[in-house]
Amino acid sequence: DAMVIQNPRYQVTQFGKPVTLSCSQTLNHNVMYWYQQKSSQAPKLLFHYYDKDFNNEADTPDNFQSRRPNTSFCFLDIRSPGLGDAAMYLCATSRGLEGNQPQHFGDGTRLSIL
Amino acid sequence: GQQLNQSPQSMFIQEGEDVSMNCTSSSIFNTWLWYKQDPGEGPVLLIALYKAGELTSNGRLTAQFGITRKDSFLNISASIPSDVGIYFCAGRRSSGSARQLTFGSGTQLTVLP
Repeated sequence: DAMVIQNPRYQVTQFGKPVTLSCSQTLNHNVMYWYQQKSSQAPKLLFHYYDKDFNNEADTPDNFQSRRPNTSFCFLDIRSPGLGDAAMYLCATSRGLEGNQPQHFGDGTRLSIL
Repeated sequence: GQQLNQSPQSMFIQEGEDVSMNCTSSSIFNTWLWYKQDPGEGPVLLIALYKAGELTSNGRLTAQFGITRKDSFLNISASIPSDVGIYFCAGRRSSGSARQLTFGSGTQLTVLP
């Protein structure tokens, strides 16, 4: 049974048109992460929430925002998608940030930009 | 940011052969994780390693946490067609922002019948 659920699996949007990707989890984990993964590359961390505390990676563009209204849900908002934002977006969760608490990934949302 | 050197980048093997891949770093990690990613799917955790020198198996998979804490390897024995995919190592430190995962660049495995 899926524990980290991402919707939709595929998303197409127009250049410059805001888009929101969603992630939900049934694990009751404290931490939720958003990664961007481009073809043949490793996932790249964009930001994470520890409970309600938001932690942005230094090189994440301002175009990317996130919201976590409750423990179970986390959203990735791309305010003005550019062609370079076409990628797979992966959500992950972990119980905490300690080393013995691995991250569990969803199946991702593949975003295409027209 | 920190880099993990994962090798080989790709492998083509015959069904039934054993496979070995590894990751090295110039920095110490406290946790090593191995993930497998199928096309169009998210990474799935295969093995987690928490102690230097630890050797852990999961079916036909065996992984070791290097004694120096700067490397890890993954072995797959008697490969089968469903082993095809991209294998990522990931390392994690225990403090500060470096608690986030650092991923290797992946090993693309192809198993030929």
